[in-house]
Amino acid sequence: EIVMTQSPATLSVSPGERVTLSCRASQTIRVNFLAWYQQKPGQAPRLLIHGISTRAPGIPTRFTGSGSGTEFTLTISSLQSEDFATYYCQQHSDWPLTFGGGTKVEI
Amino acid sequence: QVQLVESGGGVVQPGRSLRLSCTASGFTFSSYAVHWARQAPGAGLEWVGVISYDGGDMFYTDSVKGRFTLSRDNSKNTVFLQMNSLRPEDTAVYYCARDGGPGTYPNWAYNWLDSWGRGSLVTVSS
Repeated sequence: EIVMTQSPATLSVSPGERVTLSCRASQTIRVNFLAWYQQKPGQAPRLLIHGISTRAPGIPTRFTGSGSGTEFTLTISSLQSEDFATYYCQQHSDWPLTFGGGTKVEI
Repeated sequence: QVQLVESGGGVVQPGRSLRLSCTASGFTFSSYAVHWARQAPGAGLEWVGVISYDGGDMFYTDSVKGRFTLSRDNSKNTVFLQMNSLRPEDTAVYYCARDGGPGTYPNWAYNWLDSWGRGSLVTVSS
């Protein structure tokens, strides 16, 4: 199975800052099969991005996905108060689908 | 709007069985694969399995193979997760989620999870 590793585990930032979250795969992910999700406490995850860089409907343009091969990044250009949450990457290339351990973005 | 609602969770003893349901609305249910994922208390997300839009194919993560079974009833817009031989490590919130797009064979799943239910808590404890 493809192991996904996210770093850092926790990120302390201030509103308005630019944030970069990292996700590494244990092997090359074919094509562009990488997704990002946001989860707030007590809520279900929400799809942000799939195919490395395609935003889901309704996702603000401040969220940008990039990368290739084994290294991927989610960038939030200017952090808003509603963006404080935990973010997960997920490879959607091969079964079993696998998630990273998450990065918690906190104030 | 797209909506998925899980039900059937609860407290169960180790070794016993439980069946979760996921009922969907707001889209053409019979055209989409459905995934299940789970989240243990204070932990990250773990994918559990997926069933194709017609119920003809299923895939599972290794830790539940042989114990969990997916099925669906497209006439009732519902997917079922039958969980047998439950273990304490199966304790989690179980989410169902719609696949990223309508499927057609042979590529019947896009494998990103684009709409999620609110989850159902399963606690395995004596």
